[in-house]
Amino acid sequence: GAGVSQSPSNKVTEKGKDVELRCDPISGHTALYWYRQSLGQGLEFLIYFQGNSAPDKSGLPSDRFSAERTGGSVSTLTIQRTQQEDSAVYLCASSLGGMTYEQYFGPGTRLTVT
Amino acid sequence: AQKITQTQPGMFVQEKEAVTLDCTYDTSDPSYGLFWYKQPSSGEMIFLIYQGSYDQQNATEGRYSLNFQKARKSANLVISASQLGDSAMYFCAMREGRNGGFKTIFGAGTRLFVKA
Repeated sequence: GAGVSQSPSNKVTEKGKDVELRCDPISGHTALYWYRQSLGQGLEFLIYFQGNSAPDKSGLPSDRFSAERTGGSVSTLTIQRTQQEDSAVYLCASSLGGMTYEQYFGPGTRLTVT
Repeated sequence: AQKITQTQPGMFVQEKEAVTLDCTYDTSDPSYGLFWYKQPSSGEMIFLIYQGSYDQQNATEGRYSLNFQKARKSANLVISASQLGDSAMYFCAMREGRNGGFKTIFGAGTRLFVKA
């Protein structure tokens, strides 16, 4: 079946511009995560959606970052007024709800802010 | 607050030997899960193994086993009979239970190099 997809795969933007990153999770997965990964580094948690519950936004680094998930499916991560330090790979993952289910990751969006 | 620590930035192992990748965690939630993922140079994230906090036995999946020491809050990954294709970044992750909303956080990772 189809896995997690993300678009665009690469995005180059000028400092100060807004960007939107899209994630299509696996159908039926109630949990959706966004992470940020700088080159050679670990995964930094950004935000987590679980079903109809309020999202856990505790990882968002500043108020320039926001995300929404429409209809319990597609999610969009928006970064306003991008800065060079926002350059990274943004990974989306989805899973079934609960404790034991592994996450399925998308291929990521590589964001470069010039 | 949740915390995952991987203290080995890089590890070398000879092909066909076993290697242990360390992971310690910190949580006050009695219900939690521990995961290991592999990230080759291609960038994809590959799930390897899962251990639940109430599981009585250490998890095993093929050449992967998880050395779970609950009192020490450690969940080390053991890879037996290393292969060249095992060269990759390895991430430990923790998911807290209902108290933590089932959020999953990751450690900084360990880069494993397998030598021929």
